[in-house]
Amino acid sequence: ETGVTQTPRHLVMGMTNKKSLKCEQHLGHNAMYWYKQSAKKPLELMFVYSLEERVENNSVPSRFSPECPNSSHLFLHLHTLQPEDSALYLCASSPFRTENTEAFFGQGTRLTVV
Amino acid sequence: RKEVEQDPGPFNVPEGATVAFNCTYSNSASQSFFWYRQDCRKEPKLLMSVYSSGNEDGRFTAQLNRASQYISLLIRDSKLSDSATYLCVVSEGKLSFGAGTTVTVRA
Repeated sequence: ETGVTQTPRHLVMGMTNKKSLKCEQHLGHNAMYWYKQSAKKPLELMFVYSLEERVENNSVPSRFSPECPNSSHLFLHLHTLQPEDSALYLCASSPFRTENTEAFFGQGTRLTVV
Repeated sequence: RKEVEQDPGPFNVPEGATVAFNCTYSNSASQSFFWYRQDCRKEPKLLMSVYSSGNEDGRFTAQLNRASQYISLLIRDSKLSDSATYLCVVSEGKLSFGAGTTVTVRA
């Protein structure tokens, strides 16, 4: 079983749809992250949760809404997205937010907005 | 200026060759450094951490130059399976990613 699991792996949605991405980590980590990866661009940090509390929101549009019900689960709720939101959305976790340790990534959700 | 900059490549090398590339970072307070590997349409995975004294893991050697604010990755005896995008990651409490250097190893 992989340490960080994301579902769905692929998602196609219309601009008026509402969908949610799910992430689950089995590593006992306290910090979880959402990243966006567009073609040929660096990973963009979207949200950071530490011990289920949102500690960072990097100027992400409100059409992206994160939720962290417990330290093992992270959701990203999507509504009224734009075509430019099409990208690979990666969830990651790390032992603690403030330590300079590696992050472990899920396999990502490839999102296409039509 | 970007926090982490990498030559996007691609570096096209024959099997068995040595390939090396650098990454520069802008924050002198950065404390930890990593190389991640990302295969096509897959998630990034940690390749190796980069230590101040430099470190080696099999065919991979990483170096850190704090004075000039760059890290490097060298791959010896390249294999076809080394074809991937290599992401430079710098941490000063949060991880900053480069856009990646693409390496293609051909038979």
